[in-house]
Amino acid sequence: QKEVEQNSGPLSVPEGAIASLNCTYSDRVSQSFFWYRQYSGKSPELIMSIYSNGDKEDGRFTAQLNKASQYVSLLIRDSQPSDSATYLCAVNMGYGQNFVFGPGTRLSVLP
Amino acid sequence: NAGVTQTPKFQVLKTGQSMTLQCAQDMNHNSMYWYRQDPGMGLRLIYYSASEGTTDKGEVPNGYNVSRLNKREFSLRLESAAPSQTSVYFCASSEVGLAGKETQYFGPGTRLLVL
Repeated sequence: QKEVEQNSGPLSVPEGAIASLNCTYSDRVSQSFFWYRQYSGKSPELIMSIYSNGDKEDGRFTAQLNKASQYVSLLIRDSQPSDSATYLCAVNMGYGQNFVFGPGTRLSVLP
Repeated sequence: NAGVTQTPKFQVLKTGQSMTLQCAQDMNHNSMYWYRQDPGMGLRLIYYSASEGTTDKGEVPNGYNVSRLNKREFSLRLESAAPSQTSVYFCASSEVGLAGKETQYFGPGTRLLVL
């Protein structure tokens, strides 16, 4: 059974702080890793993808991948109230394979 | 590009009724997916289609059927709806990028209530 685990939260951070979201996965052959943001009542929106060990930065977002530890994280710098959403971690084992999603972490950024 | 579109947006059914959820994408993607999302459960894969003419079961296929009508369209059918099928249904499609990695994009969702 391929599994992706996340803390369900809610994770509350003050405006301007760094929000840190974590995800672990069970299948060592996983190749691609994704973070989606989902606002209440809306569909998931892709915000970051990462394929290699290390950090990948895009604006205020940084994804970090450690394949040895089977761990992927998302850092949101200078958090804004508009970042309040559920963040889904997803893992893909390769082309033609399923995407497996974690249950999501609810983030609340307090003004 | 409209991306991934789904119809209807909302639907109320009575137990035992049937319906088809429609999904279309205009991004020329080969792979398409149907998920359901329930509170606290995350996204669970119902069926997927790696290419036109092929479909495979996902994690929770019971009570559903699918049709990959052509490359653009992938429909999900509930033959005899049950209250346990009350959920939000998302269709997605995926593309293979420059790195040979697949990325998935979602439609707006269909909210289904079965009474």
